[in-house]
Amino acid sequence: QSTLTQPRSVSGSPGQSVTISCTGTTSDVGAYSYVSWYQQHPGKAPKLMIYDVDRRPSGVPDRFSGSKSGDTASLTISGLQAEDEADYYCCSYAGTYTREVFGGGTKLTVL
Amino acid sequence: QVQLQESGPGLVKPSETLSLTCTVSGGSASSGSYYWSWIRQPPGKGLEWIGYIYYSGFTSYNPSLKSRVTISVDTSKDQFSLNLTSVTAADTAMYYCAAVGVSDYSFDYWGQGTVVTVPS
Repeated sequence: QSTLTQPRSVSGSPGQSVTISCTGTTSDVGAYSYVSWYQQHPGKAPKLMIYDVDRRPSGVPDRFSGSKSGDTASLTISGLQAEDEADYYCCSYAGTYTREVFGGGTKLTVL
Repeated sequence: QVQLQESGPGLVKPSETLSLTCTVSGGSASSGSYYWSWIRQPPGKGLEWIGYIYYSGFTSYNPSLKSRVTISVDTSKDQFSLNLTSVTAADTAMYYCAAVGVSDYSFDYWGQGTVVTVPS
């Protein structure tokens, strides 16, 4: 089962915006609007930040937004804050056989 | 809101079976709103979906692990379990249980995770 492709790392200064990409195929990201994003701080469990491509769960700041174009989904974090420094993972539904596939993860550094 | 707690041995010998249990609280394992899922994360690596089960007993597994994985649910105890057979050092990981929304396939709630080590 292949993973979705994410950049290994991204960085930005406080107050800036960063975008993390998540590239899949026509069998997962390109086929369904079930893309979700997770934030993971060191030693902690992942936390849902975005679901259904661009929807935010209650309590997630509106600085976090999601989008999708073709086989690539994106997570944008605007107004970067120190506490945003973490690993971020995308995930896509991939049909009735493969079901769920995660990206390899992106480490966000706030400079 | 749903809370999840993993439990089980932290050390499993090679070739043996890894068995973990996840206890659901703040909700019910017989809820029709979630798939009950297992995910693992090897040290320093990314997340890997293992599989999930619906309260009815319907299961779906990662094709790469399917031959070794069984997930079961006990709704009377509000628990679901993972069995992974014939383990090797490559199965050493943090194991998480999670609740996956049936309408959007997102991992809404996560347990804190439990470390399982298989010595080489």
